[in-house]
Amino acid sequence: SAVISQKPSRDICQRGTSLTIQCQVDSQVTMMFWYRQQPGQSLTLIATANQGSEATYESGFVIDKFPISRPNLTFSTLTVSNMSPEDSSIYLCSVEIRGAGELFFGEGSRLTVL
Amino acid sequence: SQQGEEDPQALSIQEGENATMNCSYKTSINNLQWYRQNSGRGLVHLILIRSNEREKHSGRLRVTLDTSKKSSSLLITASRAADTASYFCATLSGSARQLTFGSGTQLTVLP
Repeated sequence: SAVISQKPSRDICQRGTSLTIQCQVDSQVTMMFWYRQQPGQSLTLIATANQGSEATYESGFVIDKFPISRPNLTFSTLTVSNMSPEDSSIYLCSVEIRGAGELFFGEGSRLTVL
Repeated sequence: SQQGEEDPQALSIQEGENATMNCSYKTSINNLQWYRQNSGRGLVHLILIRSNEREKHSGRLRVTLDTSKKSSSLLITASRAADTASYFCATLSGSARQLTFGSGTQLTVLP
């Protein structure tokens, strides 16, 4: 298993501002993902965070809006840029460890945009 | 986009009863997984079933997989109030390394 720490756990932000969410894992992992969970909804994959190269974004998500960094195998950040109320969601960091697709999740960062 | 649809969307039962949740998906899969999410928390992996398996058990959990019908079910036996949570199925398909999550079932177990 893995211990995944996300910061902040929650935040309230003003429209037009940006927020960076950090994800720290207690072991080196190859695969790291960022998901969004809108209120009352399921999880949608934003992107795969690749170490040392640009993240791989899913349809509907772009780097300008959700820039991602992954400087090493234990850390990643997701920035939500130029926020609007529609960005109010839980953002979840997850990692794959055993190679079978089983994911471990952080506790999530609950973002409210006013 | 979501691969799986789950039903029911919400389920309320008495403590001690069994809870069954169903998941349907659209494309061929490598494996199917079930996760639990307590309110306001991250997801916790419960069980994984491979495409060549038909049934799997883990404690009070029983998962079945019918690849011909592209469906799976999660049975929680002798439910407890602590089982109250949202349950999501997720599928891994093809060469993709990422999971696609279903819509989820909100389970409430009444004491």
